[in-house]
Amino acid sequence: QSALTQPASVSGSPGQSITISCTGTSSDVAGYNYVSWYQQHPGKAPKLIIYEVSNRPSGVSNRFSGSKSGNTASLTISGLQAEDEADYYCSSYTSSSPYVFGTGTKVTVL
Amino acid sequence: EVQLVESGGGLVQPGGSLRLSCAASGFTFSAFEMNWVRQAPGKGLEWVSYTSTSGSTIYYADSVKGRFTISRDNAKNSLYLQMNSLRAEDTAVYYCARDGKPYWYFDFWGRGTLVTVSS
Repeated sequence: QSALTQPASVSGSPGQSITISCTGTSSDVAGYNYVSWYQQHPGKAPKLIIYEVSNRPSGVSNRFSGSKSGNTASLTISGLQAEDEADYYCSSYTSSSPYVFGTGTKVTVL
Repeated sequence: EVQLVESGGGLVQPGGSLRLSCAASGFTFSAFEMNWVRQAPGKGLEWVSYTSTSGSTIYYADSVKGRFTISRDNAKNSLYLQMNSLRAEDTAVYYCARDGKPYWYFDFWGRGTLVTVSS
């Protein structure tokens, strides 16, 4: 199972909105509404921020939102803040194994 | 409060074995599917293995199939990963991660334990 494709890096200024894409295939992203997103700060464990494409867990800021179109899922961070600087990973259920992760995106707040 | 605490990592020679443990607390462990996820130094996340609540359904990534064995002891609220025939490319931080409800996402993660395979 190949990793889902994410841009290596995305940057934005405080207050701006940025979008991270996550591209898969009909066997994963396009085939199921089981896309999730994780935020990871350096040296820390990943943290769930979006599940089932667009659902936010309790306690996660509503500045984070998710969507999907065809074989590409997207994470949008609005009102970018310094604390949002981190690595972000998407994940999807797949037909060949339960999980596949994306390649990861480093978000830089300028 | 949900807590997952991994242990058992360390330095091991290529071809060696290691057993990781994950102690769970703060929730009904027997009611949740569990996973191991790893991250090589400076690299991305890689899903390693999944077990159903009873251990009757198990999946492995192709990269570890035949070498790693996942298991759980619901009476001890513990998850395990037996790693045999270790290779340099198995060097990573190994995270224990709980499956969310209904399924197919990781809602809680441990802090991880580092496994280094080197001579």
